[in-house]
Amino acid sequence: AQTVTQSQPEMSVQEAETVTLSCTYDTSESDYYLFWYKQPPSRQMILVIRQEAYKQQNATENRFSVNFQKAAKSFSLKISDSQLGDAAMYFCAYRSSTYSGAGSYQLTFGKGTKLSVIP
Amino acid sequence: NAGVMQNPRHLVRRRGQEARLRCSPMKGHSHVYWYRQLPEEGLKFMVYLQKENIIDESGMPKERFSAEFPKEGPSILRIQQVVRGDSAAYFCASSPGGENSPLHFGNGTRLTVT
Repeated sequence: AQTVTQSQPEMSVQEAETVTLSCTYDTSESDYYLFWYKQPPSRQMILVIRQEAYKQQNATENRFSVNFQKAAKSFSLKISDSQLGDAAMYFCAYRSSTYSGAGSYQLTFGKGTKLSVIP
Repeated sequence: NAGVMQNPRHLVRRRGQEARLRCSPMKGHSHVYWYRQLPEEGLKFMVYLQKENIIDESGMPKERFSAEFPKEGPSILRIQQVVRGDSAAYFCASSPGGENSPLHFGNGTRLTVT
């Protein structure tokens, strides 16, 4: 079974600075997807960025980018020019790529990192 | 295009009562997923449904929990004889299907069992 570990329960960053959130995962599969979701106090789960494991290039979405290290099974999220609206819980998630029976469409989430942005 | 709609947003039930949580997927989405989030935890998969079919219920507790996604109307997650341990946020997500389809989540229903 796949597991996702986020080792930083809480992080803080000064407004306009850069912060990196860590995520490691364990899997025996070679093809899969990785995601970062943001959960603000409103509770909605918002997709921030996604990465296909077969792509070597790191995904980027505006101020958000990832450092995907497949061999190390590491998938960190970098937030540049942090804004007050970035304050939220951030969840790393894993999903299998191909249908292989029960569980293959499931997202496996880490426990989350609470990010605070200091004005 | 409205997003995934869940209601109610908050639900309070006494122990032993039934809880019904509703989810209307995004327009054009025929795949629905239910997840549960316990306090201080990430979301955990419960069940995956397509119209009138349960595809994967490997995350559902064996007793008291059931889910459906009828041909017409919203998907329903039903919890019978609720206990305090059922208190959690329940999230619904939908997708149009296909391996590359991202999930779109609703705002969740927070169930409190007193």
